[in-house]
Amino acid sequence: NAGVTQTPKFRVLKTGQSMTLLCAQDMNHEYMYWYRQDPGMGLRLIHYSVGEGTTAKGEVPDGYNVSRLKKQNFLLGLESAAPSQTSVYFCASSELGETQYFGPGTRLLVL
Amino acid sequence: RKEVEQDPGPFNVPEGATVAFNCTYSNSASQSFFWYRQDCRKEPKLLMSVYSSGNEDGRFTAQLNRASQYISLLIRDSKLSDSATYLCVVNKNNDMRFGAGTRLTVKP
Repeated sequence: NAGVTQTPKFRVLKTGQSMTLLCAQDMNHEYMYWYRQDPGMGLRLIHYSVGEGTTAKGEVPDGYNVSRLKKQNFLLGLESAAPSQTSVYFCASSELGETQYFGPGTRLLVL
Repeated sequence: RKEVEQDPGPFNVPEGATVAFNCTYSNSASQSFFWYRQDCRKEPKLLMSVYSSGNEDGRFTAQLNRASQYISLLIRDSKLSDSATYLCVVNKNNDMRFGAGTRLTVKP
């Protein structure tokens, strides 16, 4: 099992560009999450999903959209990137909303 | 005030030492609690869940005090490999809140 994978690993964007981060899990987990991690801030929840076709806002959802069209995939979109969105993005999945398994992260730099 | 607060450290301890971290949370309706470990430039990994009765996993002991709204992690007989950042996590209705982490360095 690959566990949780994230694509891409690293990306540089210009302000105003758009992009989609892909998270995939092969553990048949119901729950999936997107976080961002900034120095001194810890991980902050952006959006999460409790099942295929569902999404919900987390602590810092503004500027991001998500979709969960397939159970194994959770996509995070940035429609118009801003320098404040420079961060490390982690995806996670869990079976029952408890223990989370994280992907390796995507480092995003917005210039 | 942050919902989950931790002393950022760093804690620098010699091998074999006992070290304790505390974490406080502000939402009294929080339902479940965890400690995660994060190595530099890596993803967080679950260290242990924290139960009201307290729980132990080898050299690691976690405690929860709901009345005072804090959780703790005790590491006994520290190893070099314990060097990492320890994240306190509090969950309420799938809204997971992470502390900023406590950095531990174990030295020979």
